[in-house]
Amino acid sequence: SQTIHQWPATLVQPVGSPLSLECTVEGTSNPNLYWYRQAAGRGLQLLFYSVGIGQISSEVPQNLSASRPQDRQFILSSKKLLLSDSGFYLCAWSRQGDTIYFGEGSWLTVV
Amino acid sequence: KQEVTQIPAALSVPEGENLVLNCSFTDSAIYNLQWFRQDPGKGLTSLLLIQSSQREQTSGRLNASLDKSSGRSTLYIAASQPGDSATYLCAVKYNQGGKLIFGQGTELSVKP
Repeated sequence: SQTIHQWPATLVQPVGSPLSLECTVEGTSNPNLYWYRQAAGRGLQLLFYSVGIGQISSEVPQNLSASRPQDRQFILSSKKLLLSDSGFYLCAWSRQGDTIYFGEGSWLTVV
Repeated sequence: KQEVTQIPAALSVPEGENLVLNCSFTDSAIYNLQWFRQDPGKGLTSLLLIQSSQREQTSGRLNASLDKSSGRSTLYIAASQPGDSATYLCAVKYNQGGKLIFGQGTELSVKP
């Protein structure tokens, strides 16, 4: 069966510090991978998606970047965090046109 | 603009009641629609996926219907239980490789 792992689960970082959130998927190959952000009281906003290694599409201009160094690994990064980057970050995967599966999420608080 | 709306934003019902959650989308040419459950501070769990050619999907006490012509989907929960308390989100995809567009969710509270 397929599983998705996301870490760290909780993170408190000062403004201006770097960020790295990691996500890996097991039990499938060549998945579509996604990073979403869910701000308090708001819906999910798609940040990045990837259909293959090195192929990253950005949905919104922002202070964040994503990379896919391996088939089943997706990394969300920032060089310098802003207060507005605080939120709940969710990694997800799917096969083409199929159900999308989410990780447990990472709580980021920028102070 | 393709938008997904969920009404109501919050709902509180007594245990045992049957209930309906609503989802509407502005562009009816969808590829599929998915309902999710989110517990506080957790990720999303997929409940039901309805392809554009389907009218409904059922899983246990859950039944999701799709009416593309009116741009609506409903999630029916039978005999609600306190354990059903969570936020329910619907999301629409407009093509096979496209992104999911989420509604804001309905926060459901089932009182014992």
